[in-house]
Amino acid sequence: AQSVTQLGSHVSVSEGALVLLRCNYSSSVPPYLFWYVQYPNQGLQLLLKYTTGATLVKGINGFEAEFKKSETSFHLTKPSAHMSDAAEYFCAVSSYNQGGKLIFGQGTELSVK
Amino acid sequence: EAGVTQFPSHSVIEKGQTVTLRCDPISGHDNLYWYRRVMGKEIKFLLHFVKESKQDESGMPNNRFLAERTGGTYSTLKVQPAELEDSGVYFCASSQGGGQVKGEQFFGPGTRLTVL
Repeated sequence: AQSVTQLGSHVSVSEGALVLLRCNYSSSVPPYLFWYVQYPNQGLQLLLKYTTGATLVKGINGFEAEFKKSETSFHLTKPSAHMSDAAEYFCAVSSYNQGGKLIFGQGTELSVK
Repeated sequence: EAGVTQFPSHSVIEKGQTVTLRCDPISGHDNLYWYRRVMGKEIKFLLHFVKESKQDESGMPNNRFLAERTGGTYSTLKVQPAELEDSGVYFCASSQGGGQVKGEQFFGPGTRLTVL
């Protein structure tokens, strides 16, 4: 079975500060890992994904995440927050044997002040 | 290119009534997924279509939920009869065929269902 834990349902940062959203996963097979973002009244949008290869993954809008197998983590970072980053962020896991089914964490709401 | 669309955006119904949600995936996408987010909880998988066939319906809560995908194009999710615990946001997503396990899923804006 697979699962995802996002630490912190709400994170608040100042504009220009580092954004760090935490995600830990559990998977008995090699995971595929995703970060999605949801802006108000919109659908989820893919920020970045890790399937195989390079463990540091760069995504849209300056976000990046690093797959750390030893720590079972896939934390999302951005060096400098912008007001437009305020949204809800979801970490998700899947794998080769899941047919694309995504298992989501509970989401982290990011506020930028 | 149009994205994934869902209709209606909001639905408020009484307990015991029937509601049908519709999803139009991106044209040419063979894979169609339904997910649901109950308030305060995580987004949960409901089912997966490949074209018109149900590939995985392990997340469907019970037999009050019926999903169809006519001709491998749009999909409907019917709840009959609706219960209070069915309230939540229902998301639809689609992705291209072939290697879908790695492919990006494109999500619709969701249908917010409220059962009173």
